Amino acid sequence: GESVGLHLPTLSVQEGDNSIINCAYSNSASDYFIWYKQESGKGPQFIIDIRSNMDKRQGQRVTVLLNKTVKHLSLQIAATQPGDSAVYFCAETPDTDKLIFGTGTRLQVFP
Amino acid sequence: SQTIHQWPATLVQPVGSPLSLECTVEGTSNPNLYWYRQAAGRGLQLLFYSVGIGQISSEVPQNLSASRPQDRQFILSSKKLLLSDSGFYLCAWSVRNYGYTFGSGTRLTVV
Repeated sequence: GESVGLHLPTLSVQEGDNSIINCAYSNSASDYFIWYKQESGKGPQFIIDIRSNMDKRQGQRVTVLLNKTVKHLSLQIAATQPGDSAVYFCAETPDTDKLIFGTGTRLQVFP
Repeated sequence: SQTIHQWPATLVQPVGSPLSLECTVEGTSNPNLYWYRQAAGRGLQLLFYSVGIGQISSEVPQNLSASRPQDRQFILSSKKLLLSDSGFYLCAWSVRNYGYTFGSGTRLTVV
């Protein structure tokens, strides 16, 4: 399948550890943010989202933190598993009709 | 529930040949529709988006065009493909700045 992540920054973690993936977004007018997971050869899969009126949101094993002051977004994955290995993208909506992606981070999980 | 369909999954086309990729959405009305391209090892670049039938916005100048002949149909076209058009093409939909769900993608190789 399509190979993603050849030129992307890589985060390597041991199975069972927590992972933190960071993202700097560009537009201060963005009010909605999404984290996606993309496996090789597949389309991006929604993980979790957050609106700008919140600074933290939790899902199952994942937490998204939003710092609007410094335009920073992070994704925390608890107890990382081999199945979490993928490329992770943050995305922002600078207006209601567009979704713009960040550059992505490849997560590698070692046993 | 909403579903999004893209086809074909893979395509190999010679330089100078035409292109037509189709995307359809089911289970929603008046969605925003999007075409993205992803080069190997890179992030997703927004190419076109549409907020309604016949309404197309282009994000980057290029050799491609898009059309929306029906509410839930979005087509990506080219009259003459270039080598640089190779990539992974992804369609997505959203409604009222929510959703942003992606199809499974088309891997296009121009030879």
